[in-house]
Amino acid sequence: DSGVTQTPKHLITATGQRVTLRCSPRSGDLSVYWYQQSLDQGLQFLIQYYNGEERAKGNILERFSAQQFPDLHSELNLSSLELGDSALYFCASGGGAGEQYFGPGTRLTVT
Amino acid sequence: DQQVKQNSPSLSVQEGRISILNCDYTNSMFDYFLWYKKYPAEGPTFLISISSIKDKNEDGRFTVFLNKSAKHLSLHIVPSQPGDSAVYFCAALGAGGTSYGKLTFGQGTILTVHP
Repeated sequence: DSGVTQTPKHLITATGQRVTLRCSPRSGDLSVYWYQQSLDQGLQFLIQYYNGEERAKGNILERFSAQQFPDLHSELNLSSLELGDSALYFCASGGGAGEQYFGPGTRLTVT
Repeated sequence: DQQVKQNSPSLSVQEGRISILNCDYTNSMFDYFLWYKKYPAEGPTFLISISSIKDKNEDGRFTVFLNKSAKHLSLHIVPSQPGDSAVYFCAALGAGGTSYGKLTFGQGTILTVHP
């Protein structure tokens, strides 16, 4: 158990809809990272928050946004969903020197 | 542009033998490298790391080697055990430029260790 929790575990929704994925980091970690893993793809970095502020951005679509709240939990919002957004979404918290601790992921299926 | 590449999608090894997983990178701004292991239905878990100032780091059965001039790293597992069967991801951390502070992952290698 990494100490990082993610909800929900599974999510099935239709194209055009909007969903929110939630992540609680390990106790004491200020950084939260979001990743997307599509079929046959490696983990693609989306965005990082540190203590409530956006710290780094990866290949995150404009339809996606995230935030980190004062209690350090984070939410990833995905809107105008397309079939290609179906993927595993992982949250991680760090972790000095890149040693990030990953949650179990949310499997999103867009139909 | 794939900055971290794991060219072998899969590797099959007999129990007790050595497993060697390889990873190549292109970005010279990477200065810290990590290996993660992932079981189905779980998130990746950190396994071992190496700084660019070293060429080897060992932790029990796991050893990571870094060849900076070749931009190549490898993970050796000796002896391999059936419980090591998982997907292994190589990752690199940037020291500067657009890769600063970000982990860039390879595509992963599926390791299967046969009893």
